[in-house]
Order: sequence, then structure tokens, then C-alpha cells
Amino acid sequence: SAVISQKPSRDICQRGTSLTIQCQVDSQVTMMFWYRQQPGQSLTLIATANQGSEATYESGFVIDKFPISRPNLTFSTLTVSNLSPEDSSIYLCSVAVGGANTEAFFGQGTRLTVV
Amino acid sequence: QKEVEQNSGPLSVPEGAIASLNCTYSDRVSQSFFWYRQYSGKSPELIMSIYSNGDKEDGRFTAQLNKASQYVSLLIRDSQPSDSATYLCAVNPLPGNTGKLIFGQGTTLQVKP
Repeated sequence: SAVISQKPSRDICQRGTSLTIQCQVDSQVTMMFWYRQQPGQSLTLIATANQGSEATYESGFVIDKFPISRPNLTFSTLTVSNLSPEDSSIYLCSVAVGGANTEAFFGQGTRLTVV
Repeated sequence: QKEVEQNSGPLSVPEGAIASLNCTYSDRVSQSFFWYRQYSGKSPELIMSIYSNGDKEDGRFTAQLNKASQYVSLLIRDSQPSDSATYLCAVNPLPGNTGKLIFGQGTTLQVKP
């Protein structure tokens, strides 16, 4: 497995501002992922973050709204920009570990409330 | 649209009983399947992974996979109140296993003492 540190654990932000979430892993990993979990819902993949290249976004998510950085193999950030109340969710960082039988593990999540 | 479907529940079982959680997926190229447990206010925790048809057992948990029927299930034997949580079925939607996952909506399990 992997030890994943995500911060902040929670934040309350004003609409129109931005929040940057950090994800730190205790080992080098190729693939990192960002998910959103809206209240009472399951997880939805936002994007895949690869070191040295631009993130790959899923349908319905765009770089202008969710810019991602991946400066090295142990760290990534997700920014949620121009916040609106609809962005109130839990944001989760995930890393893939293993070879042929890759498994994904999650950070503790960031609970964002937009007021 | 690649989909993973679960009955949202709640599924209620008495303590000591077997809880059976089911999941179907739409994409035949999927090769890797996972069950996560999520307690309220916590992040998902991986409890089982399965890649081949048949059963895989780990303690009180058994995962079952039937690729022909596009069906994966999780059995929890001797259910305990501490097993009360939401169980998320997740599928890797790609032929290779990259760690990218599509999740079902989750099944809430309640184990009553």
C-alpha cells in the first residue's frame, strides 16, 4: 500500500475564490488520481495526473476549473477555481500501487464547503 | 457510457449473518475489480481485489467474479456491527490495470446487534 497525506482536511471558502489541495505520497508512484464525492454520492474521477505531462480530464471536468500540478513522482495538487456552492464536496487523492495487480489507495480527503 | 451499478440499500442483516453485496458492470474489457469500504466521514478503504473468474477469500470476506455475466459480488461472513458502512464496487475500465476506477453508487450495509 502507500501512505497518502492530503491537506487541508477541510476548508470553508467564499464563492469566487479558489482552493488548492495537496497530496503527498510516501513513495514514488506513476499514476495519481483526483476524485470528487458530492454529498450522499459515490466517487467520480476528475482527472489522472502523470508526472511530466498534462493531466487527463474526464468528461465534464475542465482544466480551467480544476487545474492540476504534478511536479514529481510523490506530489500533486488540485485547485478548484472560481468556487460556487455546487463545488461543495469531498475531494480525494488516489495513487496506484503495484505491478500487474495494481491497487488504488486513497488519501483522507478534503471536505470543501463553499459559502 | 461505462457504468457500475449497485443496489444502494440499505441492506440490513443481523449480527452473525452473511451479508451479500452485488455489483454489475457494463464494459466487457474491464479486467480488475475492487471492493472498498467507506465509513461515514472517512475515505474509501480497499478490502478486496479480484481479477479472475471465481472466488477469492480473505478472512471473513469472499469476492466472486463472473466475467461472462459481468457480475461481481462480496460476501461478508459472520457480519459484525463494525461492518456497518457503505461498500463501493469499483472497476478499472481499461484493458490494463492503471488504478483508474469507475465506482458504483455504493450499498449501505447495516448490521444489527
